[in-house]
Amino acid sequence: NAGVMQNPRHLVRRRGQEARLRCSPMKGHSHVYWYRQLPEEGLKFMVYLQKENIIDESGMPKERFSAEFPKEGPSILRIQQVVRGDSAAYFCASSPKGTANTEAFFGQGTRLTVV
Amino acid sequence: GENVEQHPSTLSVQEGDSAVIKCTYSDSASNYFPWYKQELGKRPQLIIDIRSNVGEKKDQRIAVTLNKTAKHFSLHITETQPEDSAVYFCAATPYSGAGSYQLTFGKGTKLSVIP
Repeated sequence: NAGVMQNPRHLVRRRGQEARLRCSPMKGHSHVYWYRQLPEEGLKFMVYLQKENIIDESGMPKERFSAEFPKEGPSILRIQQVVRGDSAAYFCASSPKGTANTEAFFGQGTRLTVV
Repeated sequence: GENVEQHPSTLSVQEGDSAVIKCTYSDSASNYFPWYKQELGKRPQLIIDIRSNVGEKKDQRIAVTLNKTAKHFSLHITETQPEDSAVYFCAATPYSGAGSYQLTFGKGTKLSVIP
């Protein structure tokens, strides 16, 4: 089991471009969570998805950000028209079921730099 | 929603001494409390967790205690070693409605173990 895979590990975008971050959960895991981590800060919840469904997007900005977890393929976090404030590490986590009483496994993260 | 407070933000101890990190949470419905260790530039990794039906759990040099009445839980590391140096995050799982159990993290404690 390769663990949670995120790519790319590092992503540089100019202001106004789009950023697409990918997350492949662990085999057998159908629950995916996205978190954002700013330097020297904790992990902020963004969105929780199951296959083909967004369960909770209460932590995701209403504009420019979207997420999906299609039936086939990885989960995608998409940031349109990036701004400097979007620079952060974005972590994906997966679990076999909801994180009430179950461990969430994190990927290595994607470090987004907006220049 | 859930609010998790973590203290201290930084902690320095001599090698061999004990380290204690404390967290409080606000949502009495939370029932799962994991602790994650994050080394510089790496993914958060689960080191220990506790569920609301127990008050204490120990795994070698690491222990966690939970006081549901007071809504606080603590991480104890004994006989600290230089490789324990990292940022430690506590988390709580509140119920967000619609079947969502997403982790809310504290802001982290940077532990430095001085040889």
